[in-house]
Amino acid sequence: QVQVEQSGAEVKKPGSSVKVSCKTSGGSFSSYAINWVRQTPGQGLEWVGGIIPLFDRPNYAQGFTDRLSITADDSTSTVYMELTSLKFDDTAIYYCAREYSSGAWGYWGPGTLITVSS
Amino acid sequence: DIVLTQSPGSLSLSPGERATLSCRASQSVGSDYLAWYQQRPGQSPRLLIYGASNRATGTPDRFSGSGSGTDFTLTISGLEPEDFAVYYCQHFGRSPVFGPGTKVEIK
Repeated sequence: QVQVEQSGAEVKKPGSSVKVSCKTSGGSFSSYAINWVRQTPGQGLEWVGGIIPLFDRPNYAQGFTDRLSITADDSTSTVYMELTSLKFDDTAIYYCAREYSSGAWGYWGPGTLITVSS
Repeated sequence: DIVLTQSPGSLSLSPGERATLSCRASQSVGSDYLAWYQQRPGQSPRLLIYGASNRATGTPDRFSGSGSGTDFTLTISGLEPEDFAVYYCQHFGRSPVFGPGTKVEIK
């Protein structure tokens, strides 16, 4: 059974950076994409970016390409998302999700609340 | 880029009733890349349907998906109390995108 764990909530100042981890266990790590999605309070789901660890080539959503970095560590089965130059409207819950065998996202982490506040 | 539109934005129904949720894509999408997710308050999204019509492991058979091209439907054949939630469709191609969601509320 695949399990997904995420790092804990963080409070950051505008202009700073945050790095969130997503550790998977059970099943193959390298072969399946891990994607990041964010959700602002009371709003919908927004894809931020993703990576297939085997290929180590991240894919970023438009609007994030200049301040987002997604990396994978095969040795710990962990994917990291680093967002720089934080703004107030980056305040959101950030979820990581691993592919199901079909390509849909069948395994989700519990979410990490990132609050950007001065 | 593909844009997904969901209708209605919210649906007010009683337990036992049938819910029909629509997802429309701005251009034709492969059915293999269309999924539906359920999100209950305070929880992470949960995959219900993939490939437009295939139930994910653990999805009750009262949930069914259909459609192709630009028009897709999620049907809940008899609402249970735990089904009152927000439902999102998703196209998980090169640039994944979600619809804005349909909230199914208790009448």
